[in-house]
Amino acid sequence: EAEVAQSPRYKITEKSQAVAFWCDPISGHATLYWYRQILGQGPELLVQFQDESVVDDSQLPKDRFSAERLKGVDSTLKIQPAELGDSAMYLCASSSRDLAKNIQYFGAGTRLSVL
Amino acid sequence: AQTVTQSQPEMSVQEAETVTLSCTYDTSESNYYLFWYKQPPSRQMILVIRQEAYKQQNATENRFSVNFQKAAKSFSLKISDSQLGDTAMYFCAFMKQRGGGSNYKLTFGKGTLLTVNP
Repeated sequence: EAEVAQSPRYKITEKSQAVAFWCDPISGHATLYWYRQILGQGPELLVQFQDESVVDDSQLPKDRFSAERLKGVDSTLKIQPAELGDSAMYLCASSSRDLAKNIQYFGAGTRLSVL
Repeated sequence: AQTVTQSQPEMSVQEAETVTLSCTYDTSESNYYLFWYKQPPSRQMILVIRQEAYKQQNATENRFSVNFQKAAKSFSLKISDSQLGDTAMYFCAFMKQRGGGSNYKLTFGKGTLLTVNP
């Protein structure tokens, strides 16, 4: 069964350093989402792509976060500089263009610890 | 803005028994979707069940069923014959169609940690 791939699984960094997370969605899925999940809470959407275009980045802290999906397939989320409050699980999800199948499939996530 | 409330931070149930997790939501939309996702410890989030708001019939998936009360904006999940593998964080989520095409956004509740005891 196809899965959403994310790497790395874990990342430890010091504050003010740069970090990057990678996501490869399920093949053929046009929509890709990045969520941030703080411990004990539900995921919150950071950015949504439709193919290579950003559909929603209203909750993305643009002074330090950036996301790209250059060829409309895999995606990278970057934080520079990282802050202590960025410690969280970063989840990637993808969904089909088919309106009848508006189910989001999640990757295993990247757990970020900022020291 | 839509909000999703899960009022039970933690619940426990004995193996083979039935448990119900609560979820309420707030929206002015008439057409939307509701989901329950399961997140086992250190594993990825997976879909448990999906409900379309325009369908009056409650969705079921094997041991999982929902009680969807549209007027009350309530969407509870019932797990029958609980198994040890059901131990996980359960998230209720709301989705409306935003714009055109497949521009959907999920709004999650804070989750309920369910522990199934042997």
